[in-house]
Amino acid sequence: KNQVEQSPQSLIILEGKNCTLQCNYTVSPFSNLRWYKQDTGRGPVSLTIMTFSENTKSNGRYTATLDADTKQSSLHITASQLSDSASYICVVSGEAGNNRKLIWGLGTSLAVNP
Amino acid sequence: NAGVTQTPKFQVLKTGQSMTLQCAQDMNHEYMSWYRQDPGMGLRLIHYSVGAGITDQGEVPNGYNVSRSTTEDFPLRLLSAAPSQTSVYFCASSYPGNSPLHFGNGTRLTVT
Repeated sequence: KNQVEQSPQSLIILEGKNCTLQCNYTVSPFSNLRWYKQDTGRGPVSLTIMTFSENTKSNGRYTATLDADTKQSSLHITASQLSDSASYICVVSGEAGNNRKLIWGLGTSLAVNP
Repeated sequence: NAGVTQTPKFQVLKTGQSMTLQCAQDMNHEYMSWYRQDPGMGLRLIHYSVGAGITDQGEVPNGYNVSRSTTEDFPLRLLSAAPSQTSVYFCASSYPGNSPLHFGNGTRLTVT
């Protein structure tokens, strides 16, 4: 069964600290892996998309890594800010070239406290 | 650029009523889709469209209809609302291929 599992379920950190969120998947075939940020009451916003051949991709203070052999990804947030408080969702595409076959994780809820 | 615009933001329906959730995008995206988001579950695809005049079912299509008469608009119709359709509904659009989805800010629907 195609699945995307994220850990931890929730996380609380202090402003300025770094954190790493984990994503394990059992999706086959694999096309690409995405990370989205979802603020409370808003729609998800894309952070990164990585294909099989990409190991690391950065978007500002967000750095995603992908190990396609172990089927694991991580999202590292550097020097956290209060605005980073959100849910971070890992999504795996099981079909190249379209958005119809996306497997969504349940997300990690991150709270950044002052 | 407004991006993806969804209306209304909130809606309360009685069981059996019908309604249409509106979605419009101004990015000339060919692909549009509807998702529902429920606690404890990942986003689930309801219906999608790869272009004007073309629609298809997603993972959970029962109880919903869609149409795509223009590139910009992709309304979702609830035919006879049921309490199980209480959810947050998101419209999303993208270019073809492995392009990121752009989401609206959702419609929170409660069916009593």
